[in-house]
Parts: sequence; structure tokens; C-alpha cells
Amino acid sequence: AQSVTQLDSHVSVSEGTPVLLRCNYSSSYSPSLFWYVQHPNKGLQLLLKYTSAATLVKGINGFEAEFKKSETSFHLTKPSAHMSDAAEYFCVVRIGGKLIFGQGTELSVKP
Amino acid sequence: NAGVTQTPKFRVLKTGQSMTLLCAQDMNHEYMYWYRQDPGMGLRLIHYSVGEGTTAKGEVPDGYNVSRLKKQNFLLGLESAAPSQTSVYFCASSSFPGQLAKNIQYFGAGTRLSVL
Repeated sequence: AQSVTQLDSHVSVSEGTPVLLRCNYSSSYSPSLFWYVQHPNKGLQLLLKYTSAATLVKGINGFEAEFKKSETSFHLTKPSAHMSDAAEYFCVVRIGGKLIFGQGTELSVKP
Repeated sequence: NAGVTQTPKFRVLKTGQSMTLLCAQDMNHEYMYWYRQDPGMGLRLIHYSVGEGTTAKGEVPDGYNVSRLKKQNFLLGLESAAPSQTSVYFCASSSFPGQLAKNIQYFGAGTRLSVL
């Protein structure tokens, strides 16, 4: 069975400190993996995607994620958090034409 | 660019009432999807369509019906709303996955539905 697990339901960081949002997946196939962000009362926006090219993927707004097959992980990072990063983040695995979403991680950024 | 447009943005229903959510995309995408988002559960796929005139069940299809009469529109219907259907509904579309690496789903802004 294919699934994706986000290890933290809520992460709180101070502005200017690093962000780490953890995601593990299980898939019988070589997965396509994504991170989406959802700001309050907004739709979902694609942050970045991994599709079997480079294992380190750079996205928008300074975010990046590293695909580690040995650890079945696709953690999202950012060197320095900004107040505007406060949002909910979803790790997603794609199987065929369908997306399977993680439970979401709410990121809070303190001044 | 409009992208994916959902109407309405908000709706309150009484138990037993019916309604239709409309999703429209202007990107000529073949695939369209309806998801529901509930706290702590991420997004779950309700129904999807791989082209005009086709529909298929997703993870949580019970209590919902869909239609794809036109390529650009994907309708989600609730025939008899229940409180358990209180949720935020998202529509998405994507191009035909002949090149899976480019098959990104684009999402609408969501519809917040409350069933009393």
C-alpha cells in the first residue's frame, strides 16, 4: 500500500531560525513526491516536486526538500523562517494520476 | 489566468438538503478531482474524472455524486446532506499524464460547507 506520513502535526519556530517539516512515505514504486502549502483561507499551492531527477529539490520561497530512498523520507527545510511562512504544509505522494496526502503540518512562526 | 475556480466559496445547508458544487478550469486539463479536507486527516479523494463524460470513485465517495458533462467543468453533488459532510472541499485539475513528471495538480481556493 502506498501512504505518506507527516511526523509532526504542529511545528513552531522563531523568525530567522531553520524550519524542518518531516515526511516519510511508503510506495511499491518509484514515487513522485510533492510538498504543498496552504495559507489560511486560501487554496493549495505547489512548493516543490520530486520526480526522480536530482534528489535535492529546490522550491519556491527558499524551501527545499531532499529525497532519501534509504530512509523513505522527503523532509522539507528552509534555512531561515519568515513570518509569512506560517501556514499548513502537506506532503503528497502521487500514484498514477491520484495524489495521496499526508495529514498536514501546521507551521507557526514566532516574532 | 483564472486556473481552477470553485463556486460557491461558502455554504450552509440543513440536514437533508441538496446542493451542487461547481468546479471550472480553463487550462484544457483532462483530469479533474474533488477532495475533502478535514482537520488532522489531510485531503481525501472523493471522486475524479479522467476525461469528459467519465467519472470514478476515490477514497471516500459515499454520499456524493459527480458529473463531467463538459471537459472544463466537474460538478460535485450532495443529494441529502449530512453533518458528517461538513468540510472544506477542494477541486483540482491536471493535464493528461502522458508525461507524469509534468502532471501537476492545480487546486481551486476551496468551498467551506457546513451542514447543520
